[in-house]
Amino acid sequence: SYELTQPPSVSVSPGQTARITCSGSTLPKQYAYWYQQKPGQAPVLVIYKDTERPSGIPERFSGSSSGTTVTLTISGVQAEDEADYYCQSADSRGIYWMFGGGTTLTVL
Amino acid sequence: EVQLVQSGAEVKKPGESLKISCKGSGYSFTTYWIGWVRQMPGKGLEWMGIIHPRDSDTRYSPSFQGQVTISADKSITTAYLQWSSLKASDTAMYYCARRADSNSFSLDYWGQGTLVTVSS
Repeated sequence: SYELTQPPSVSVSPGQTARITCSGSTLPKQYAYWYQQKPGQAPVLVIYKDTERPSGIPERFSGSSSGTTVTLTISGVQAEDEADYYCQSADSRGIYWMFGGGTTLTVL
Repeated sequence: EVQLVQSGAEVKKPGESLKISCKGSGYSFTTYWIGWVRQMPGKGLEWMGIIHPRDSDTRYSPSFQGQVTISADKSITTAYLQWSSLKASDTAMYYCARRADSNSFSLDYWGQGTLVTVSS
């Protein structure tokens, strides 16, 4: 089975840079996608195709990829960025999708 | 405006059947895949499966194959997720979401979620 591995938690102070990683064997072959989920709300897409940002998402959100690891970077973290973040991708054939376990970002 | 509106919360007993819905509007319903995602209490997101409303081509996660049925009625722009015999472990929030396009695996618009509680 295909798995995506994320750290359970990341903590940063306001104004600092947060980096959340996601590792998986499928990532060199398939793009990764990132979602932000705040308590009681549906997820929101913040990065697609490893590095692209949907309209309406602040520029402080960016994505990168290197081998089997993709990274979501939030520059100049704000209190409102405190949320759970999930990476997502698909198997090499694009038939089965999967999410990472999620990372809770805490803004100290 | 693209919208996915899901049916309301459900409280069911183990062994009962259930069908929840997701109505799309503001876009061409038969052009985009609709996926279903489970989130158990306090847990992460799990991809359950996806359907193309144009021809009902459906793919299931191996974890959910045989446990649920995904369907769609394009005449009323609605997708469904159903169980024939619920278990307590089916208690969760269920989201439907639209696949952004056929060249991407992202889900760009999400429903508000349907909370399913299964308890005796």
